[in-house]
Amino acid sequence: AQKITQTQPGMFVQEKEAVTLDCTYDTSDQSYGLFWYKQPSSGEMIFLIYQGSYDEQNATEGRYSLNFQKARKSANLVISASQLGDSAMYFCAMRLHTGANSKLTFGKGITLSVRP
Amino acid sequence: DSGVTQTPKHLITATGQRVTLRCSPRSGDLSVYWYQQSLDQGLQFLIQYYNGEERAKGNILERFSAQQFPDLHSELNLSSLELGDSALYFCASSGGQGAGQFFGPGTRLTVL
Repeated sequence: AQKITQTQPGMFVQEKEAVTLDCTYDTSDQSYGLFWYKQPSSGEMIFLIYQGSYDEQNATEGRYSLNFQKARKSANLVISASQLGDSAMYFCAMRLHTGANSKLTFGKGITLSVRP
Repeated sequence: DSGVTQTPKHLITATGQRVTLRCSPRSGDLSVYWYQQSLDQGLQFLIQYYNGEERAKGNILERFSAQQFPDLHSELNLSSLELGDSALYFCASSGGQGAGQFFGPGTRLTVL
């Protein structure tokens, strides 16, 4: 079974600075995908970035980048130039690419607060 | 806007009652997933449908059931509701095995 671990307590960052949100995962499968979602206080789940286990380059999407270290089984999210609107809950998730079940397994999430 | 719609946005009901949550996936997406988010359990996968067929089941209670219709919209039925069923219920859709999952805005269910 796969597992996602997010252990950081609430994170604080100054506006315009970069912040790294940690995520480690556990699976015995070789083919999988890693996702980050943002959940603002309004409640919706917003897809941010995706990294495939066989992707050789780290994924980037605008101000978001994923620091993928396969040997360490970590997939940390880096947000550059933080904005006030980045204050939210952030979830790391994993999906296996083998088998019929393509469900997402989520971590418990990290709360990020951006200070002006 | 993810393109996934869910209705209703809020639902308040009493214990023992039955409710139906509705989801319309993004245009062209064949897979629909249901997730439950509660304070104590976090985000939990409930069930997946693909093109009308049940594909996978997670921690879904026997009191809960779902289906996906020929037009690909899906409904999640929750019956004999208990206080502990109060949660945010999300529907997500995706276009295929390797594709991302896009979430609807959720239905917040409160059982009194």
